[in-house]
Amino acid sequence: GAVVSQHPSWVICKSGTSVKIECRSLDFQATTMFWYRQFPKQSLMLMATSNEGSKATYEQGVEKDKFLINHASLTLSTLTVTSAHPEDSSFYICSAASLSAQYFGPGTRLTVL
Amino acid sequence: GESVGLHLPTLSVQEGDNSIINCAYSNSASDYFIWYKQESGKGPQFIIDIRSNMDKRQGQRVTVLLNKTVKHLSLQIAATQPGDSAVYFCAETKNSGGYQKVTFGTGTKLQVIP
Repeated sequence: GAVVSQHPSWVICKSGTSVKIECRSLDFQATTMFWYRQFPKQSLMLMATSNEGSKATYEQGVEKDKFLINHASLTLSTLTVTSAHPEDSSFYICSAASLSAQYFGPGTRLTVL
Repeated sequence: GESVGLHLPTLSVQEGDNSIINCAYSNSASDYFIWYKQESGKGPQFIIDIRSNMDKRQGQRVTVLLNKTVKHLSLQIAATQPGDSAVYFCAETKNSGGYQKVTFGTGTKLQVIP
């Protein structure tokens, strides 16, 4: 099946710094990618929809200036958490959409000290 | 608002028994439903899906049942194995702007007792 990768798989950073997470579709082109956030023992919550070549669409309550999304190619979307704070610590998961399905990445564990 | 939720947060099952995980949804406009399995520290893994015009679909050891009348979805796992231990999410999808937008339910943790 289709493969989606994320990098890094985990990251620890200091409060106030920015962190970039990459999401790649390895064997198919994805015009649309999605970013989710998952807190411990909770479900996945959609943060934003990333469209290649256009601005991302953010879900209600998600700060677009804090969570910068760039979808520069059909196989790569990046999420940058700017000025990260401890409350941003979470598991960030991306998915890439083909014509018929969505494929999820393995997730990135972000810990902000 | 629209939501997808589960009845049971935790389910403990003896190895070899059958497991049934339930899910209630509220949006009757969803195109189809998906069950995902998520192991600790990993992304969701697709298990099985079912379209809104179907009421049952079978896979290998898994069966999904859809009851649109009461807006209920269930996942049945036959002969549950220790490797089935994980959190299971039901999700509903609907077409939004040309793509399928996935909304996850709250999740059920399945614990298989050896």
